[in-house]
Amino acid sequence: EAQVTQNPRYLITVTGKKLTVTCSQNMNHEYMSWYRQDPGLGLRQIYYSMNVEVTDKGDVPEGYKVSRKEKRNFPLILESPSPNQTSLYFCASSLSGLGSPLHFGNGTRLTVT
Amino acid sequence: RKEVEQDPGPFNVPEGATVAFNCTYSNSASQSFFWYRQDCRKEPKLLMSVYSSGNEDGRFTAQLNRASQYISLLIRDSKLSDSATYLCVVKRDNNDMRFGAGTRLTVKP
Repeated sequence: EAQVTQNPRYLITVTGKKLTVTCSQNMNHEYMSWYRQDPGLGLRQIYYSMNVEVTDKGDVPEGYKVSRKEKRNFPLILESPSPNQTSLYFCASSLSGLGSPLHFGNGTRLTVT
Repeated sequence: RKEVEQDPGPFNVPEGATVAFNCTYSNSASQSFFWYRQDCRKEPKLLMSVYSSGNEDGRFTAQLNRASQYISLLIRDSKLSDSATYLCVVKRDNNDMRFGAGTRLTVKP
C-alpha cells in the first residue's frame, strides 16, 4: 500500500531532550516536506527536500533540523526541544511533476513540557 | 501578506445548501493547484486537483482563474459529512507546496 509513515504518533518529552520524528514513504517520491499545525495558524512549512541531499528551509525552520540521506526517509530532528514546539506535525511527499499532489502521514502530536 | 490566502470562515450552512470558497495566491509562477480536506486533528487529504478549464467531481466543482490568481471550490447539496476544514494548496514552479490557512465548514441538519 502506498503510504507515508510517521512515528511516533504521540510523544511527550521534556525541554532540552533531543528527539527525532521519523518519516518514510514507499512511493519513490522526490519531494518531501515537514509541516507543523497550530490552532489558528494553519499548516506552516518547516523544511522541505526536493531530492536526496537537497534540503531547504520553509517558513518556520528555527529549532529544527532535517536530513535526506535516502530518498524514502526524511527525519525531523529537534536538538533541544522547547515548549513552543508543542504542536501537531505532518510529513508529506509528492512526485516532482506538475499536477502531483501531496500525500500526508498520519501526524505526530508532540508535547514538550 | 501570505502567499496563499483563504477566508477562515466559519461557514455554517444547512444540509442541502450550496457553498463556495475562494482562495487567492500571490506567486504568478504557481503551476498546480489543489483543494484538500482536513478533518479535526487528522491529516489533510486530497479532495481534488484544480485545472484551468475547471473540473467537477460529483457535488464538487473547482475553478481556476490565472489572470486574477484565484481558485474556487463549490459544494452543491451539502451533506453533514462535508463538515471539515478545506485547504487551498498551490504548487510553485520549483515544486514546493504552499498552503492556505483553511476555511472551516459546518453543515447543520
